[in-house]
Amino acid sequence: DVKVTQSSRYLVKRTGEKVFLECVQDMDHENMFWYRQDPGLGLRLIYFSYDVKMKEKGDIPEGYSVSREKKERFSLILESASTNQTSMYLCASSTRQGPFTDTQYFGPGTRLTVL
Amino acid sequence: GQSLEQPSEVTAVEGAIVQINCTYQTSGFYGLSWYQQHDGGAPTFLSYNALDGLEETGRFSSFLSRSDSYGYLLLQELQMKDSASYFCAVRRGNQGGKLIFGQGTELSVKP
Repeated sequence: DVKVTQSSRYLVKRTGEKVFLECVQDMDHENMFWYRQDPGLGLRLIYFSYDVKMKEKGDIPEGYSVSREKKERFSLILESASTNQTSMYLCASSTRQGPFTDTQYFGPGTRLTVL
Repeated sequence: GQSLEQPSEVTAVEGAIVQINCTYQTSGFYGLSWYQQHDGGAPTFLSYNALDGLEETGRFSSFLSRSDSYGYLLLQELQMKDSASYFCAVRRGNQGGKLIFGQGTELSVKP
């Protein structure tokens, strides 16, 4: 079974703090993703990576950065946390997808509260 | 702009059939996915349609019409455990993974 783990289930930080969210997958997947999930808005893509040291902006990258130094690990960084970044953060991974498959495997999520 | 529209809530009874519709307007389209998420849990993959037509996986089926920018998820023989949120998502990239999600449909299955 594919396993995607996230470093914390719940996290409380103060405004202005630098926050690191870690994600690790154990299936040698090339692709990794960070989403945030807010009620009524579904999941929104923040950043993704198709390979080590490679990153691309998603739909809402402002206020975030990422790091992928090893294939299995993808980190999301909030340089200076703000209250509007209070959310559920979900990490996902997938293999390189052909035209007829597209399966992402999600971690359990980190619920971040910024005070 | 890019958008996906799906109903916010659907209620049905055990044993019934329910259809959750999804219409989309996106720049770039490679296929339509469906994910299930139980309360407090991680989203899990249900199905993916790259071509027009119906894909069946057990009690769940998914349909796509690219010309109509429309798809649906059909759940048959509903069970209480099917109570969850269901998200449609459009794949925008050739390499896969670049998904844009709908806001989700909360399905409540009643006894």
